[in-house]
Amino acid sequence: QVQLVQSGAEVKKPGASVKVSCKASGYIFTSYDINWVRQATGQGLEWLGWMNPNSGNTGYAQKFQGRVTITRNSSISTAYMELSSLRSEDTAIYYCARGTGGSDYYHMDVWGKGTTVTVS
Amino acid sequence: QSVLTQSPSASGTPGQRVTISCSGSSSNIGSNTVNWYQQLPGTAPKLLIYSNNQRPSGVPDRFSGSKSGTSASLAISGLQSEDEADYYCAAWDDSLNGYVFGTGTKVTVL
Repeated sequence: QVQLVQSGAEVKKPGASVKVSCKASGYIFTSYDINWVRQATGQGLEWLGWMNPNSGNTGYAQKFQGRVTITRNSSISTAYMELSSLRSEDTAIYYCARGTGGSDYYHMDVWGKGTTVTVS
Repeated sequence: QSVLTQSPSASGTPGQRVTISCSGSSSNIGSNTVNWYQQLPGTAPKLLIYSNNQRPSGVPDRFSGSKSGTSASLAISGLQSEDEADYYCAAWDDSLNGYVFGTGTKVTVL
């Protein structure tokens, strides 16, 4: 079945970086985008950015420009999200999600279970 | 801060119809289709409605979506206890060149 399996929880100190992985299975990895979305405790969903695993093209939310990097290793169907210069406000659950459709009908149809990142 | 605005909460008794609204602008809802995500307590979000009114396979037909201008709505008819969750609207924003989520609506089944 189609699924995205994320890496385990992380605890980081302020100023450090974190790299979260997202391994895809059950579909052709390069045929769909990978997005990253985060959610702080008790808060809403916040989009960080996306990547096209086929071309390697990426797009980032303005808020995270310069601090977030999304990469991939297509040989193992895995995408990565690295967030640098961590601060306490980055403590959240980070989700990867498969994206599909053109910009006028873009949506995320498969989600990982999430990775908890704690900055303390 | 979220670009799409939703009412914080909605509630109903089992069997009732509940409607959630989502307000945006010309650069997001006005230009692109709206998606809705359901997040049950302690779980990852799940795609509920895409392209304004399309249901992915497995989503009950008591969930329906609509869009008019720069606003969208999600309706839940025949409300059930398992529908108690947070619901988020979302769309691509052409001005921000990114994906934006609504502020979220918590649905409570009384």
